[in-house]
Amino acid sequence: KQEVTQIPAALSVPEGENLVLNCSFTDSAIYNLQWFRQDPGKGLTSLLLIQSSQREQTSGRLNASLDKSSGRSTLYIAASQPGDSATYLCAVWGGNQFYFGTGTSLTVIP
Amino acid sequence: GAVVSQHPSWVICKSGTSVKIECRSLDFQATTMFWYRQFPKQSLMLMATSNEGSKATYEQGVEKDKFLINHASLTLSTLTVTSAHPEDSSFYICSAWLSSGATDTQYFGPGTRLTVL
Repeated sequence: KQEVTQIPAALSVPEGENLVLNCSFTDSAIYNLQWFRQDPGKGLTSLLLIQSSQREQTSGRLNASLDKSSGRSTLYIAASQPGDSATYLCAVWGGNQFYFGTGTSLTVIP
Repeated sequence: GAVVSQHPSWVICKSGTSVKIECRSLDFQATTMFWYRQFPKQSLMLMATSNEGSKATYEQGVEKDKFLINHASLTLSTLTVTSAHPEDSSFYICSAWLSSGATDTQYFGPGTRLTVL
């Protein structure tokens, strides 16, 4: 069964820093990987979707990479802002369901 | 972009009562919808896959008689928590699958906070 792990579980950084969130998965047979943002008590907001054939995707200050063979993905956030504070979830799509990671809780300190 | 709504956004009920949560795809048709459950500070766990016009497929360990799922139309799926108990208190999130050409994407609802007293 696919298992998705995210490290670190929590991260606190001063405003302006660049940071990297990590996601690893055990089964490389995935269709795509998606990064989500979740604010407290809210649903999910999709940030970036990487198809299995792609290596990275970029949107504004966000860049996500995918190394399917090693079962890893990273989310890079440049010039972090207090508004980036949230929980970030990665999820892999195995063809019939999403497998979600445990999440990284990010706090950006003004 | 595609929008998925959930109603209600939060609900408080007494133990033993039933609660219905609606999930709607507002601007697209979804033959498949998914229901997730999320406990505090934990990730989303898939409960069941809901297919329009057929019975839902439940994940192992999810009681289908307790969590009734109905997907009667291409834009609406409902989750009914029957005889709710305090341990059913959780955050329930649905998603709807939009299939468009070469890309399939899931869009998530805003979630429903259920508190059972």
